[in-house]
Amino acid sequence: DAGITQSPRHKVTETGTPVTLRCHQTENHRYMYWYRQDPGHGLRLIHYSYGVKDTDKGEVSDGYSVSRSKTEDFLLTLESATSSQTSVYFCAISEGTTQANYGYTFGSGTRLTVV
Amino acid sequence: KQEVTQIPAALSVPEGENLVLNCSFTDSAIYNLQWFRQDPGKGLTSLLLIQSSQREQTSGRLNASLDKSSGRSTLYIAASQPGDSATYLCAVPGTSYDKVIFGPGTSLSVIP
Repeated sequence: DAGITQSPRHKVTETGTPVTLRCHQTENHRYMYWYRQDPGHGLRLIHYSYGVKDTDKGEVSDGYSVSRSKTEDFLLTLESATSSQTSVYFCAISEGTTQANYGYTFGSGTRLTVV
Repeated sequence: KQEVTQIPAALSVPEGENLVLNCSFTDSAIYNLQWFRQDPGKGLTSLLLIQSSQREQTSGRLNASLDKSSGRSTLYIAASQPGDSATYLCAVPGTSYDKVIFGPGTSLSVIP
């Protein structure tokens, strides 16, 4: 989607290896999010960021870490990939105050397969 | 804890029909509600965002309404087309401003 890009688009990796997914935005939005989408589970929040170096856990954060050293980049790392982390990963951005969310914009997703 | 449901889970209609998709949420203290569309293998595309102070929003053949008191939103699609075939998801903010809860989606198929 315009203003937000994810890389890579597809990746196959082996069990036990570290993997880093990148989300890059050009909108200067404050909030960035990582979701995973799985059949039967819908979209689940992994981690989110509310500013540079400010991050927090979502509902399915085990096995994942994130970093945000610049406003425009939000990295998701699978520290030691497992087959259960095979999924489609989406990054989203939003801009809003502490009292309101002005809606989300999503990236196109990264399809990760752990073999 | 906010919970979001969508009915029906799947819907198949002939081209040209008007249709309604439903979204229900348990906590009415929401700031907004957003409708998305997702094509197979693609990301989510925002369709409409309704702020809590609004009752409805329109974009082309789409009209979304919001009734906070009853915990419901509907997405109305007029004169459906095969290109409307996709999964439609609604999303509302959770109890924390920085978290959003997604519904499971309605899979729509418009038959030519």
